[in-house]
This record gives sequence, C-alpha cells and structure tokens, in this order.
Amino acid sequence: QKEVEQNSGPLSVPEGAIASLNCTYSDRGSQSFFWYRQYSGKSPELIMFIYSNGDKEDGRFTAQLNKASQYVSLLIRDSQPSDSATYLCAVRKRSYQLTFGKGTKLSVIP
Amino acid sequence: GAGVSQSPSNKVTEKGKDVELRCDPISGHTALYWYRQRLGQGLEFLIYFQGNSAPDKSGLPSDRFSAERTGESVSTLTIQRTQQEDSAVYLCASSVGAGTPYEQYFGPGTRLTVT
Repeated sequence: QKEVEQNSGPLSVPEGAIASLNCTYSDRGSQSFFWYRQYSGKSPELIMFIYSNGDKEDGRFTAQLNKASQYVSLLIRDSQPSDSATYLCAVRKRSYQLTFGKGTKLSVIP
Repeated sequence: GAGVSQSPSNKVTEKGKDVELRCDPISGHTALYWYRQRLGQGLEFLIYFQGNSAPDKSGLPSDRFSAERTGESVSTLTIQRTQQEDSAVYLCASSVGAGTPYEQYFGPGTRLTVT
C-alpha cells in the first residue's frame, strides 16, 4: 500500500460546481496534512494545511480530516476554470518530512 | 520579496556525465529541502537541511546523489554518472523552520533530461 494515495483523475467538474478531491494515507502516526496546487509546468503552492479532525475552511476551499479513517479531502466550492490544476496531498510524519501523493488532475469546464 | 530560485531551469546532459543543480532559498529560511518529481508522479523527498544540524539524507536514491549547503544559504545537489532514470524535475523548497505550521515555499525547479 502506498503511503499517500490519490485518484489520478482527471476529475472534470462544470464551472460553479463543487470539486471534491480525496486522499488516504497509511501511517496512523501522521501528524499534519497539506494540500498543494500545481499548475502545469509550475512548482507546487500550498493551499491549506490541517492537523485536527474536522473541517477547516478558507474562502472557497475546505479541508476535511478524519484520522480514524485515515482520510483527508479538499472541497472547492464554486469551481472556476482557474482552479484547473493538479492537486497534491502531502502528509507529514516527522517534524519536517512531507510524503506526497501522485496528485489528482482537476479540470473545471466553463 | 524574492522567492526560492533554482538554476539552471533546464539541463540536458548525456548519460554518464555529472550535473550540479543549485538552489537559493528565501533569505532567513533555515530549512531547505530537495525533492524529485518524475513525469506524472508526486514529489519524492531527497534531502533536508536545517541550520547547522546534520542533514537528513534518507531520501537520496543512490550514492550517486549528494547535496551540500553552506550555512543557511545556497545548496547544491550533485548527481554523478547520470542515468536516464534520473530524468525528472528537481524541486527545492525552503521554510522558516521545520514542522507545522512552517510552509514550504517551492522554487521553479530544474528540469533534468538525461539522453
């Protein structure tokens, strides 16, 4: 089992819809969880991090964490074409090392 | 302010040659990380530097890979006797410190192609 798993997609949603991106992780000792957005040919940029069970909202983005199920998700409300990118889930086990999933490619259709 | 910079942006080299990749972190960032991203894959952790502590080299895939950092500034990643499987984008990141909530800021990467 891979340490961090994501569906590779592509995930296509119409403009204005909610995009739901999912990530599972194998190590129960994982402490914090990150969502990065990566546009094609560009470097990753952090969208959100979460380390407590429940939801964390920031504008149109909501991160959800369920440690019992070892599951973290990212919801994007009112999706825009500019949200089209690959979304990387990353998990931190120790104080500094991030383990990344392969990413989910999101396409928002105008 | 200036972000993380990396050079060169692209490097094409012949199999068997050595290459050196450079990273300039954000000024004042004590932590520096190197990652590798193969086409269509996630990021693989390679090495981590924190201040004057011994680096964590646990992610380096072979002894052909090495990295150095001078104090809290520039880092170089060296790949000796390059192989075709080394072709990837090499990303450098830096952060103010280590651990949550210190965000890792990524540089633009160096695209390495080994022919």
